[in-house]
Amino acid sequence: GQQLNQSPQSMFIQEGEDVSMNCTSSSIFNTWLWYKQEPGEGPVLLIALYKAGELTSNGRLTAQFGITRKDSFLNISASIPSDVGIYFCAGRSGSSNTGKLIFGQGTTLQVKP
Amino acid sequence: DAMVIQNPRYQVTQFGKPVTLSCSQTLNHNVMYWYQQKSSQAPKLLFHYYDKDFNNEADTPDNFQSRRPNTSFCFLDIRSPGLGDAAMYLCATSRLSREGEQFFGPGTRLTVL
Repeated sequence: GQQLNQSPQSMFIQEGEDVSMNCTSSSIFNTWLWYKQEPGEGPVLLIALYKAGELTSNGRLTAQFGITRKDSFLNISASIPSDVGIYFCAGRSGSSNTGKLIFGQGTTLQVKP
Repeated sequence: DAMVIQNPRYQVTQFGKPVTLSCSQTLNHNVMYWYQQKSSQAPKLLFHYYDKDFNNEADTPDNFQSRRPNTSFCFLDIRSPGLGDAAMYLCATSRLSREGEQFFGPGTRLTVL
Protein backbone atom coordinates (compact mmCIF):
# COMPACT_ATOMS: atom_id res chain seq x y z
CA GLY A 1 0.00 0.00 0.00
CA GLN A 2 0.95 3.65 -0.12
CA GLN A 3 3.39 4.82 2.51
CA LEU A 4 4.93 8.11 3.50
CA ASN A 5 8.43 8.33 4.94
CA GLN A 6 8.73 11.33 7.23
CA SER A 7 12.00 12.60 8.64
CA PRO A 8 13.43 13.36 11.00
CA GLN A 9 11.58 11.32 13.60
CA SER A 10 12.35 13.88 16.30
CA MET A 11 14.12 17.19 16.75
CA PHE A 12 15.32 19.02 19.82
CA ILE A 13 16.26 22.59 19.00
CA GLN A 14 16.98 25.93 20.62
CA GLU A 15 14.38 28.68 20.54
CA GLY A 16 14.99 30.94 17.55
CA GLU A 17 16.39 28.22 15.30
CA ASP A 18 14.84 27.28 11.97
CA VAL A 19 13.38 23.81 11.50
CA SER A 20 12.98 21.68 8.41
CA MET A 21 11.19 18.35 8.00
CA ASN A 22 10.13 16.40 4.93
CA CYS A 23 8.07 13.56 3.59
CA THR A 24 8.74 11.29 0.64
CA SER A 25 6.71 8.65 -1.08
CA SER A 26 7.13 6.12 -3.85
CA SER A 27 3.63 7.06 -5.06
CA ILE A 28 2.28 10.26 -6.57
CA PHE A 29 -0.08 12.36 -4.48
CA ASN A 30 -2.49 15.03 -5.68
CA THR A 31 -2.67 16.77 -2.32
CA TRP A 32 -0.11 17.23 0.43
CA LEU A 33 -1.06 18.47 3.87
CA TRP A 34 0.75 19.28 7.09
CA TYR A 35 -0.89 18.86 10.50
CA LYS A 36 0.31 19.66 14.02
CA GLN A 37 -0.81 17.72 17.08
CA GLU A 38 -0.28 18.91 20.63
CA PRO A 39 -0.44 16.53 23.61
CA GLY A 40 -3.98 15.41 24.41
CA GLU A 41 -5.50 17.16 21.39
CA GLY A 42 -6.48 16.27 17.84
CA PRO A 43 -4.35 17.25 14.85
CA VAL A 44 -4.81 20.76 13.47
CA LEU A 45 -4.35 21.53 9.79
CA LEU A 46 -1.44 23.92 9.14
CA ILE A 47 -1.06 24.01 5.37
CA ALA A 48 -2.72 22.32 2.38
CA LEU A 49 -0.98 22.09 -1.00
CA TYR A 50 -2.77 21.25 -4.24
CA LYS A 51 -0.34 21.89 -7.11
CA ALA A 52 3.07 20.43 -7.90
CA GLY A 53 5.69 23.07 -7.19
CA GLU A 54 3.33 25.10 -5.00
CA LEU A 55 5.00 26.99 -2.16
CA THR A 56 2.66 28.21 0.58
CA SER A 57 3.26 30.12 3.79
CA ASN A 58 1.26 30.40 6.99
CA GLY A 59 2.99 32.85 9.29
CA ARG A 60 6.40 31.39 10.16
CA LEU A 61 5.55 28.13 8.40
CA THR A 62 6.36 27.43 4.77
CA ALA A 63 5.55 24.22 2.90
CA GLN A 64 6.18 23.05 -0.63
CA PHE A 65 4.56 20.45 -2.86
CA GLY A 66 7.44 18.70 -4.63
CA ILE A 67 7.63 18.98 -8.39
CA THR A 68 7.64 15.19 -8.77
CA ARG A 69 4.47 15.02 -6.59
CA LYS A 70 6.23 12.45 -4.43
CA ASP A 71 7.53 14.70 -1.69
CA SER A 72 6.84 17.74 0.45
CA PHE A 73 8.72 19.73 3.06
CA LEU A 74 7.75 21.99 5.94
CA ASN A 75 9.97 24.75 7.29
CA ILE A 76 9.42 26.64 10.54
CA SER A 77 11.42 29.82 10.93
CA ALA A 78 12.52 31.36 14.23
CA SER A 79 11.02 28.62 16.40
CA ILE A 80 9.28 29.48 19.66
CA PRO A 81 8.32 27.25 22.62
CA SER A 82 4.69 26.94 21.46
CA ASP A 83 5.89 25.21 18.28
CA VAL A 84 6.33 22.08 20.40
CA GLY A 85 4.25 19.15 19.17
CA ILE A 86 4.11 16.36 16.63
CA TYR A 87 4.01 17.37 12.98
CA PHE A 88 2.40 14.97 10.53
CA CYS A 89 2.56 15.12 6.78
CA ALA A 90 -0.36 13.58 4.92
CA GLY A 91 -1.02 12.82 1.31
CA ARG A 92 -4.10 12.13 -0.69
CA SER A 93 -4.04 10.58 -4.13
CA GLY A 94 -6.76 10.60 -6.74
CA SER A 95 -6.98 6.83 -6.55
CA SER A 96 -7.63 6.63 -2.83
CA ASN A 97 -11.09 6.28 -1.32
CA THR A 98 -12.91 9.52 -0.78
CA GLY A 99 -11.30 11.44 2.04
CA LYS A 100 -8.65 8.88 2.91
CA LEU A 101 -5.37 10.43 3.95
CA ILE A 102 -2.08 8.61 4.14
CA PHE A 103 -0.13 9.90 7.16
CA GLY A 104 3.59 10.03 7.75
CA GLN A 105 4.99 8.70 11.01
CA GLY A 106 5.30 12.18 12.50
CA THR A 107 8.15 14.45 13.58
CA THR A 108 8.27 15.28 17.28
CA LEU A 109 9.57 18.80 17.83
CA GLN A 110 10.89 20.02 21.15
CA VAL A 111 12.04 23.62 21.60
CA LYS A 112 14.35 24.67 24.40
CA PRO A 113 13.69 28.23 25.62
CA ASP B 1 -17.36 28.91 16.99
CA ALA B 2 -17.90 26.04 14.57
CA MET B 3 -16.23 22.92 15.85
CA VAL B 4 -15.99 19.18 16.31
CA ILE B 5 -16.95 18.01 19.79
CA GLN B 6 -16.17 14.62 21.30
CA ASN B 7 -17.64 13.17 24.46
CA PRO B 8 -16.44 12.01 26.79
CA ARG B 9 -12.80 13.18 26.71
CA TYR B 10 -11.79 10.21 28.86
CA GLN B 11 -13.55 6.86 28.99
CA VAL B 12 -12.70 3.89 31.15
CA THR B 13 -14.30 0.54 30.43
CA GLN B 14 -13.80 -3.05 31.43
CA PHE B 15 -12.52 -5.80 29.20
CA GLY B 16 -15.46 -7.02 27.11
CA LYS B 17 -17.89 -4.30 28.24
CA PRO B 18 -19.45 -2.41 25.29
CA VAL B 19 -18.66 1.27 25.03
CA THR B 20 -19.94 4.09 22.81
CA LEU B 21 -18.02 7.23 21.92
CA SER B 22 -19.79 10.21 20.46
CA CYS B 23 -18.91 13.01 18.08
CA SER B 24 -20.87 16.06 17.02
CA GLN B 25 -20.06 18.85 14.61
CA THR B 26 -21.37 22.33 13.98
CA LEU B 27 -19.49 22.72 10.69
CA ASN B 28 -22.25 21.11 8.58
CA HIS B 29 -19.64 18.99 6.80
CA ASN B 30 -20.77 16.06 4.68
CA VAL B 31 -17.90 13.73 5.54
CA MET B 32 -17.16 12.36 9.00
CA TYR B 33 -14.29 10.08 10.01
CA TRP B 34 -13.26 7.92 12.95
CA TYR B 35 -9.57 7.35 13.60
CA GLN B 36 -7.72 5.29 16.17
CA GLN B 37 -4.41 6.67 17.39
CA LYS B 38 -2.00 4.77 19.60
CA SER B 39 0.87 6.35 21.42
CA SER B 40 3.59 7.83 19.18
CA GLN B 41 1.80 6.70 16.03
CA ALA B 42 -0.10 8.41 13.24
CA PRO B 43 -3.91 8.31 13.25
CA LYS B 44 -5.31 5.17 11.64
CA LEU B 45 -8.57 5.48 9.73
CA LEU B 46 -11.28 3.07 10.92
CA PHE B 47 -14.18 4.21 8.73
CA HIS B 48 -15.82 7.26 7.28
CA TYR B 49 -19.24 8.47 6.20
CA TYR B 50 -19.83 10.27 2.96
CA ASP B 51 -23.19 11.73 3.98
CA LYS B 52 -25.00 8.51 5.00
CA ASP B 53 -22.80 6.23 2.90
CA PHE B 54 -20.66 4.15 5.22
CA ASN B 55 -17.11 3.21 4.16
CA ASN B 56 -15.28 0.66 6.23
CA GLU B 57 -11.51 0.21 6.03
CA ALA B 58 -10.58 -3.36 5.11
CA ASP B 59 -8.51 -3.87 8.26
CA THR B 60 -10.99 -2.40 10.75
CA PRO B 61 -11.97 -5.17 13.18
CA ASP B 62 -15.61 -6.30 13.27
CA ASN B 63 -15.58 -5.30 16.93
CA PHE B 64 -15.87 -1.68 15.79
CA GLN B 65 -19.17 -0.35 14.49
CA SER B 66 -20.43 3.12 13.70
CA ARG B 67 -23.69 5.00 13.37
CA ARG B 68 -24.46 8.37 11.85
CA PRO B 69 -28.11 9.21 12.62
CA ASN B 70 -27.90 12.69 11.10
CA THR B 71 -25.42 15.17 9.63
CA SER B 72 -24.29 16.46 13.00
CA PHE B 73 -23.72 13.30 15.00
CA CYS B 74 -21.61 10.19 14.63
CA PHE B 75 -21.02 7.35 17.10
CA LEU B 76 -18.32 4.74 17.50
CA ASP B 77 -19.42 1.51 19.17
CA ILE B 78 -16.84 -0.97 20.44
CA ARG B 79 -18.78 -4.14 21.12
CA SER B 80 -16.27 -6.07 23.19
CA PRO B 81 -13.22 -3.95 23.99
CA GLY B 82 -9.95 -5.74 24.40
CA LEU B 83 -6.77 -4.45 26.01
CA GLY B 84 -5.41 -3.72 22.54
CA ASP B 85 -8.25 -1.28 21.88
CA ALA B 86 -6.95 1.17 24.45
CA ALA B 87 -6.10 4.26 22.40
CA MET B 88 -7.10 7.81 21.52
CA TYR B 89 -10.14 7.88 19.24
CA LEU B 90 -10.36 10.90 16.98
CA CYS B 91 -13.39 12.13 15.09
CA ALA B 92 -12.86 14.41 12.08
CA THR B 93 -14.98 16.13 9.45
CA SER B 94 -14.42 17.62 6.03
CA ARG B 95 -16.27 19.23 3.17
CA LEU B 96 -16.97 17.22 0.04
CA SER B 97 -14.68 19.30 -2.16
CA ARG B 98 -11.83 19.42 0.35
CA GLU B 99 -11.63 15.93 1.82
CA GLY B 100 -7.96 16.31 2.69
CA GLU B 101 -8.64 19.34 4.90
CA GLN B 102 -9.93 17.55 7.93
CA PHE B 103 -11.08 19.17 11.15
CA PHE B 104 -10.35 16.98 14.13
CA GLY B 105 -12.04 16.86 17.49
CA PRO B 106 -9.98 16.75 20.70
CA GLY B 107 -10.30 12.97 20.92
CA THR B 108 -11.54 10.49 23.51
CA ARG B 109 -8.87 8.63 25.46
CA LEU B 110 -10.12 5.06 26.03
CA THR B 111 -8.72 2.94 28.83
CA VAL B 112 -9.59 -0.76 29.03
CA LEU B 113 -9.16 -2.44 32.41
